[in-house]
Formats: sequence, structure tokens, C-alpha cells
Amino acid sequence: NAGVTQTPKFQVLKTGQSMTLQCAQDMNHEYMSWYRQDPGMGLRLIHYSVGAGITDQGEVPNGYNVSRSTTEDFPLRLLSAAPSQTSVYFCASSSAGGGTDTQYFGPGTRLTVL
Amino acid sequence: KQEVTQIPAALSVPEGENLVLNCSFTDSAIYNLQWFRQDPGKGLTSLLLIQSSQREQTSGRLNASLDKSSGRSTLYIAASQPGDSATYLCAVKGNTPLVFGKGTRLSVIA
Repeated sequence: NAGVTQTPKFQVLKTGQSMTLQCAQDMNHEYMSWYRQDPGMGLRLIHYSVGAGITDQGEVPNGYNVSRSTTEDFPLRLLSAAPSQTSVYFCASSSAGGGTDTQYFGPGTRLTVL
Repeated sequence: KQEVTQIPAALSVPEGENLVLNCSFTDSAIYNLQWFRQDPGKGLTSLLLIQSSQREQTSGRLNASLDKSSGRSTLYIAASQPGDSATYLCAVKGNTPLVFGKGTRLSVIA
């Protein structure tokens, strides 16, 4: 049981490039979400999904796209990278939306946009 | 909009001391509150989850309490050790995924 995995661990992009951050979980969790963590800002929600085929925006969705074609995978796409997207990105999953769900986090992707 | 505040932002204590970390939130309509630990350069590890109907949860030297009506939670760490040094994050879950505080950076000095 690998839990939540994220690839790559580190990435450097130039302004305007696009890329996809991968996230996968093997716990059959319905809920998955993407956060970014910036110094002094804490973790902020980018997008989330309550199940395959269903996604919604979080607090800071601009510049990011997501899709959820399977229960296991929830990739995050940067369409045209900007320096303001330099951050650490965390993917998380949980089993349900109610009161008993513990969130499990991946190890993070450290992204630098030059 | 839910807002979560953690005080203090940083804390340094000698080994063996008992300590309390504070978390407050503005909207009491929550399903649960979670405390996480984050080591430098690492992801988040869940420590304790308190459901909205519960008052406290314990795990080893950790005890978390929840007063939903006043919008407050505390994380009590007994007999602190240098290995407890990390950032501790509080997060609440309402109708959307978790809303996080900015964390308390704890240093336990041997």
C-alpha cells in the first residue's frame, strides 16, 4: 500500500511552459484534492474532486486545470507557467466527505518557475 | 468564509516541558478538525482527528481538544522531546475540503 504518490519530486520550468503534476492513490479514496504551500500563506486549496468525473474549484484555481477520469489518479495541469506558481504542491486523498475521514498527503512536488 | 488561526507562530521549549498549541476557527459548522505534523521539506502526517461531536482525542503523548461552539482547539504535547520539533498544522473540514491554519513551528531544545 503506497498511499498517495506524487511525481515529479522537483521540477524547474521556464515561464510559459506547460506541465502536468501527477498524483495517484491506491486506497480507493473518493475524495482527492490539490493544495499549494507558500511561505507565510499556509496551504491553499487549488482544485478538488469528490469522485471520478467530478471536479470543483478551490480558493486559488486560476492557471490550473484538473480532470478525474479514474478513482486512482488526479493530475494537475499548469497551462502556461508563471513565476507566481513557484510553490510546493501537495496532493491529498480521503475516503469520504463526512466527519470521520482522515486526509492522507503525498510527499509534495517542489516547482520553480523561472 | 472559514478562517483558521494558529497561535503562536513559533515556539521554542526545553526538552521535557509540557506545551499547548492553539487553533481557532471562525465558522463553527464543521465536520471535523485535524492536527497535522510537517517536517522540513516533507509532506503532512495526520496526528489526530476530532469529529464535531467529540470533545477530545488522545494518541500517546498528544491530546487534542475541540470546543466547537467557541471555535477553538488545542493540541497538548506532554513531556516534549527533540524529535517533536516540526511544524504543527490545524485544519478544519466543513462543506469543502480542509481549510488550514498557517502552523506553529515548534523547536524542542535538548
